[in-house]
Order: sequence, then structure tokens, then C-alpha cells
Amino acid sequence: EVQLVESGGGLLQPGGSLRLSCAASGITVSNNYMSWVRQTPGKGLEWVSVIYTGGSTFYAESVTGRFTISRDNSKNTLFLQMNSLRVEDTAVYYCARSPYSGSGSYGFDSWGQGTLVTVSS
Amino acid sequence: QSALTQPASVSGSPGQSITISCTGTSSDIGTFSYVSWYHQRPGKAPKLMIFDVNKRPSGVSDRFSGSKSGNTASLTISGLQAEDEADYYCCSYTRSNTWVFGGGTKVTVL
Repeated sequence: EVQLVESGGGLLQPGGSLRLSCAASGITVSNNYMSWVRQTPGKGLEWVSVIYTGGSTFYAESVTGRFTISRDNSKNTLFLQMNSLRVEDTAVYYCARSPYSGSGSYGFDSWGQGTLVTVSS
Repeated sequence: QSALTQPASVSGSPGQSITISCTGTSSDIGTFSYVSWYHQRPGKAPKLMIFDVNKRPSGVSDRFSGSKSGNTASLTISGLQAEDEADYYCCSYTRSNTWVFGGGTKVTVL
């Protein structure tokens, strides 16, 4: 069974930094396309970032230059380093897996429970 | 990358069929058959219902089906049930090697 467990969320002021973690079990993070997706309270989903199997990374325009996605293969864990945080970054952050082949393909077939990041002065 | 366009709400009576549209551009839905749909209840993580436009993961009811024409994808729920009441989101892979979601549609069972 695939399990993704996020941690690291919290309350911080604008301009601050935070690192989110997503510990995976039942899958190998480096063998999947791993993304961060966020959801503003009461609003819709927004894709944030992906790290591909080969290590390439891509970001939504809204976070480019401020957020960095990475992974630690030895710990089977995905990270999101968030710098220069803004009020509009307030959201529940989910990590999600795309198996890129087979069932699920480029869809997000496994999600964590999410971690809340609140940016407020 | 602008969000895909979905209706804010769709409703139907039990047993009826409803269809949710999802309009993108030639940079996403129009180019790729990597359209997926998600079901989400309040306080819960999204659940994958459809991938690759019209494929269902194991365990998803065959009352859910997907299609695509041009830059628009659609999700149809047949035989609407009370348990189908939730928010539904479409998503597409894009030419920028990224993903884009729709704004979400609230489905109400009357």
C-alpha cells in the first residue's frame, strides 16, 4: 500500500522560509514523478512543482524562483523548500505521485493527507 | 499557465446523468491525452477517478466515464447517487512539462 506522509507545515510571517517533507512508503520516490499540489482553504487545487525520475524539476509560475523541490533517495523522502513566503502561499500542501506508466499514468494516483502552511503577519 | 475552466456547480437528481466540462487550450488538453479527474470531499485529499482521458483506476465505479474533444474534456457520472456529492477537479499535463488543474465543480445531488 502506498503511503505519503507530509510534515513541516506551520504559521509564519511573510518573507519567511519553511521546508516541507513527504515521507513515502510502498513506493520508491525516485522511480515516480513526484509533485506538490496546494489548496487554498475553501478554494481549488493548484499544481506547484514536480521532480521527474531523472531529477529534472519544474515549477508553477507563481512559485518559480522562491520554491525548490528535491528528494533524498536514501530516505525515500520528497521535500519542498519554500522561501520568500507570501500571504497568498497560505494553503494545504499535498505531495502526490504520478506513476507515469500503467494505471494512473500522468494522473496523481496517490496523495498524502496534506500539511497546512499559514503565512500571516 | 491559466487554470482549466470548469462550471462552478452542476446538480442532478438520483439516477440521472450529469456531465462536467473542462476547457483548456492547445497547450494542454488539446495536445495531450493526459487528462485526469479527481473527486474531493471536505477535509479529505483528492481521489483519482479518471486518468488518460477515459481510463478508470481499479476500484472506481464504471458509472464514471471521461472523454475529450479538441481542447475540452468531460466527465460524465451516470446513475447519480448521493455519495457522488463532492467537488470534482480536472487536470491536464501541459507542453511546459507541468500540470494544470481546473477551478473545480461542486456536484449536488438533489
